Amino acid sequence: DAGVIQSPRHEVTEMGQEVTLRCKPISGHDYLFWYRQTMMRGLELLIYFNNNVPIDDSGMPEDRFSAKMPNASFSTLKIQPSEPRDSAVYFCAISRGFSGNTIYFGEGSWLTVV
Amino acid sequence: QQQVKQSPQSLIVQKGGISIINCAYENTAFDYFPWYQQFPGKGPALLIAIRPDVSEKKEGRFTISFNKSAKQFSLHIMDSQPGDSATYFCAASDAGNNRKLIWGLGTSLAVNP
Repeated sequence: DAGVIQSPRHEVTEMGQEVTLRCKPISGHDYLFWYRQTMMRGLELLIYFNNNVPIDDSGMPEDRFSAKMPNASFSTLKIQPSEPRDSAVYFCAISRGFSGNTIYFGEGSWLTVV
Repeated sequence: QQQVKQSPQSLIVQKGGISIINCAYENTAFDYFPWYQQFPGKGPALLIAIRPDVSEKKEGRFTISFNKSAKQFSLHIMDSQPGDSATYFCAASDAGNNRKLIWGLGTSLAVNP
């Protein structure tokens, strides 16, 4: 957990509002992942970056979701406009290399859209 | 379509007992099978992992058993403790799919004192 700092830890927002989730990973990694976790669908990979470049965003559910990684120390996941079905825990995770290597998760951002 | 099927969804075990969680997969190209442990309010953390060149891997009280022909793998927790109460996820990946992890839906384990 100490390798990835996520903010906010908890957010409650109204439907239609923009939500920005932030991730600050430690240095030394070259892959960064955004996951969404719900009871119904489990852990879903939304998007991942390699050396700050988006590689696969096929898991991003809709155009309302976007992610950026302007540098190795920061990434954002934005939802605009938010909807109640976006309520979930969003995890940022990192790894060094990708081939069967350990993925280190942050503690997550708990999002509730009312 | 779920490529890694995990069971049971929830499990209650008495302290000192054996917890067993099973996963099955279809894709024979999978060649890396990790188990992650998640405590409430925390992110998942790698517990133990196995590759198909061995049938079993043990780390302390945790053992992965792997059956390549049946396309199944399982996590055994020996001498289960209340501190093991968590959600456990199995996963699998293969080089052909850019090594993306395919996750099971998780098993919520409660170990009663």
